[in-house]
This record gives sequence, structure tokens and C-alpha cells, in this order.
Amino acid sequence: DVKVTQSSRYLVKRTGEKVFLECVQDMDHENMFWYRQDPGLGLRLIYFSYDVKMKEKGDIPEGYSVSREKKERFSLILESASTNQTSMYLCASGVAARETQYFGPGTRLLVL
Amino acid sequence: TQLLEQSPQFLSIQEGENLTVYCNSSSVFSSLQWYRQEPGEGPVLLVTVVTGGEVKKLKRLTFQFGDARKDSSLHITAAQPGDTGLYLCAGASNTGKLIFGQGTTLQVKP
Repeated sequence: DVKVTQSSRYLVKRTGEKVFLECVQDMDHENMFWYRQDPGLGLRLIYFSYDVKMKEKGDIPEGYSVSREKKERFSLILESASTNQTSMYLCASGVAARETQYFGPGTRLLVL
Repeated sequence: TQLLEQSPQFLSIQEGENLTVYCNSSSVFSSLQWYRQEPGEGPVLLVTVVTGGEVKKLKRLTFQFGDARKDSSLHITAAQPGDTGLYLCAGASNTGKLIFGQGTTLQVKP
């Protein structure tokens, strides 16, 4: 059974803190993605990675960075959290960027 | 910019009713996927449609891809409380990535 896990289900952080969200997949997929999900806006792509150490900006990369040092792990970093980054963050992996994506359960982040 | 618009955004119905969710665009997509997301979980793929005019059935769910590959619909027959969730359509864009619609929240009351 395919599995994508995210390090936390819920996080509460203060404005200005550095935040790390971790994602691990066990399917040996080349591609990994970070989305944020907000009511009425669907899923918006923040960053994706098509190989180890390779990354590409999505539609809303501002305020975020990513790291992919190993194939199975993709990290999202909020360098200085702001209240407008309060959201649900979803990680996904897939064989190709336009094919089926397998999602983790999400991390609900609250920035105070 | 390719966009996918879903309608309706919210749907609350009684168990046993039928419903249709629409996913529309002015752009052509090479394929379209439908996902369902239950509360507290990530989206899970239901189906992928690839050919214009294609119809796929998954038990009580019927998915159709428009002839021009610009739109799709999801029809649920005799909805059950277990169908409750967020339904998302996603199109394979010409930039090589998936573009998601904003979602349709379905509530099926017993």
C-alpha cells in the first residue's frame, strides 16, 4: 500500500519563527510536491521537486523554500512564518508531475 | 493561465438523492483526474479520464470527460452518507503540472 507521511498533523507557531514541514514517501517516486489548501481556493502548488536536489517553483513560492536531500524526503521551510501562512499544507508524490498524485494526510498550521 | 472552475462549491442533500458536480475550463486538458478528500485526510484519486467523450463508472459514481476535453462531470446516483467529502477535479496542464479546481464540498445527510 502506497504511503506518504507528514511529520505533524497540527502545528502552532509564532510570527517570525522558522517552520519545517517534513514529508516522506515510500513509493520510490521521482516527483514530490508541496501544496497549500485554503477554503474556496482549492490546492495551490508551492514547490515541486523532480529529482534529488532539484526543485522548481510552483504558483505561490513566495515566503517558502524547500529541500530534497534524499529521494524519499521533501521538506518545506517557512523562513519567517507570517499569519497569512496559516493554512493546510499537503505533500504529494507521483511518478510524473501530471499523473496520479498520492497525498499525505496534511499538516494544519496556525501562525499566531 | 489555465483554470478549472467547479460548481457548485457546496452541496447538501439527503441520502438517496442524485447529484452532479461540474468541472469547467476554457482550456483543453490532455487528461482530467477526480479526487475525493475526507475530513482530516489528503485527497485520494477516484478516476482519470483521458479521451474526449469518455465515460467511466465507479459503482454509483459516473465520470464524463467532455468531447472537447475542456470540461468534466461527476454524477452520483443514490448518494450515501459515506459519499460525504470534498471532491476535486485536476487537469494535466500544458506546463506539465496538475491544476486543481477549487473543490465541491458534498454533505449527504442520513
